[in-house]
Amino acid sequence: GNSVTQMEGPVTLSEEAFLTINCTYTATGYPSLFWYVQYPGEGLQLLLKATKADDKGSNKGFEATYRKETTSFHLEKGSVQVSDSAVYFCALTSTGGGNKLTFGTGTQLKVEL
Amino acid sequence: NAGVTQTPKFQVLKTGQSMTLQCAQDMNHNSMYWYRQDPGMGLRLIYYSASEGTTDKGEVPNGYNVSRLNKREFSLRLESAAPSQTSVYFCASSESLGNLNEQFFGPGTRLTVL
Repeated sequence: GNSVTQMEGPVTLSEEAFLTINCTYTATGYPSLFWYVQYPGEGLQLLLKATKADDKGSNKGFEATYRKETTSFHLEKGSVQVSDSAVYFCALTSTGGGNKLTFGTGTQLKVEL
Repeated sequence: NAGVTQTPKFQVLKTGQSMTLQCAQDMNHNSMYWYRQDPGMGLRLIYYSASEGTTDKGEVPNGYNVSRLNKREFSLRLESAAPSQTSVYFCASSESLGNLNEQFFGPGTRLTVL
């Protein structure tokens, strides 16, 4: 079956530091890949997505590249801000699987001044 | 636009009690979903509804029932709550089941079963 593995948190960074959150996946066919973000007390919001190999999703300074050869979709940001503190979820939907998302366990990011 | 709304925000039940979690969306979406979020496990799909009048089981449906009341509303019912159902429940909606359609999430319901 499908699965998503994320690095465990919490990840604590100073403001303006570089961020990487690792995500690898197992899926049949050609999945679409997503990063969702959950701010404290809120529901999940789509951050970015990529639908085929070598696609790069980007939004709000965050980027992730769909790497089929390494089955990875790592999230990066060059300079984090305190307002980026949240929980980040990597997820996928598989070909023919409808729109059913398979989520990773989430990585909490804390950014300090 | 309120997006996806859920009620209640918090609920405490005793084992064996029943309750219904309500979800509504105002985006004219066809598809709706219920997830539960547990520590260390991410979100898992309980049930989904591809369109008005249809519902299907997700990954963890046992102990739950759902009703797609109309296009806007999708409720989740616990008939006899158990401590294992203590969780945060999220409702989501999307235009359709096409796997590139963004899912929009509600703010969640935090349920504790004693």
